[in-house]
Amino acid sequence: DTAVSQTPKYLVTQMGNDKSIKCEQNLGHDTMYWYKQDSKKFLKIMFSYNNKELIINETVPNRFSPKSPDKAHLNLHINSLELGDSAVYFCASSQEHSVSYEQYFGPGTRLTVT
Amino acid sequence: GNSVTQMEGPVTLSEEAFLTINCTYTATGYPSLFWYVQYPGEGLQLLLKATKADDKGSNKGFEATYRKETTSFHLEKGSVQVSDSAVYFCALSASGYSTLTFGKGTMLLVSP
Repeated sequence: DTAVSQTPKYLVTQMGNDKSIKCEQNLGHDTMYWYKQDSKKFLKIMFSYNNKELIINETVPNRFSPKSPDKAHLNLHINSLELGDSAVYFCASSQEHSVSYEQYFGPGTRLTVT
Repeated sequence: GNSVTQMEGPVTLSEEAFLTINCTYTATGYPSLFWYVQYPGEGLQLLLKATKADDKGSNKGFEATYRKETTSFHLEKGSVQVSDSAVYFCALSASGYSTLTFGKGTMLLVSP
């Protein structure tokens, strides 16, 4: 059983388009996250949700809009895509919003903007 | 703010060699420390963690000890295998938030 799943795995699109990435976790966790990994493998937190409520927004452009319809899902919608948005986007979840809990990562979505 | 510094890679070793990947951190409060591993084409997996000073995390032959006095969490393995080839990330979680602050990752390449 896949713990954290993301769709699609690959996404190739043109500048200016709008796209969405979906994430689902079947672990019963309360907290979910989106991370961005750039071409140099550097990982940075984008958003954190706890029980469907936005907790952390790390100065991400407002073209990025996360949505959590329920605790098991956290989707990421991106408007007006730019070249610099090309990256691998990882969804993750943890049992609670606490420093000591392990995060479980999805397989990633590789977004390429041309 | 919080930050994690890892040694630059790639680290290239022969099978059965000893591995050390250095990691130091800056954080407010009392962070939890983690090592995550990313195999080619995959997401990150937790390798080990330590939540307080002097704790030792261990898993699959890897170890790291939380050293508050030197703000370090170095990863070690006594005998690496080809299957250990991956990118290793040191990370911390601090200040009441569970979000992770990552180092830049260290690629490990192990040859037979």
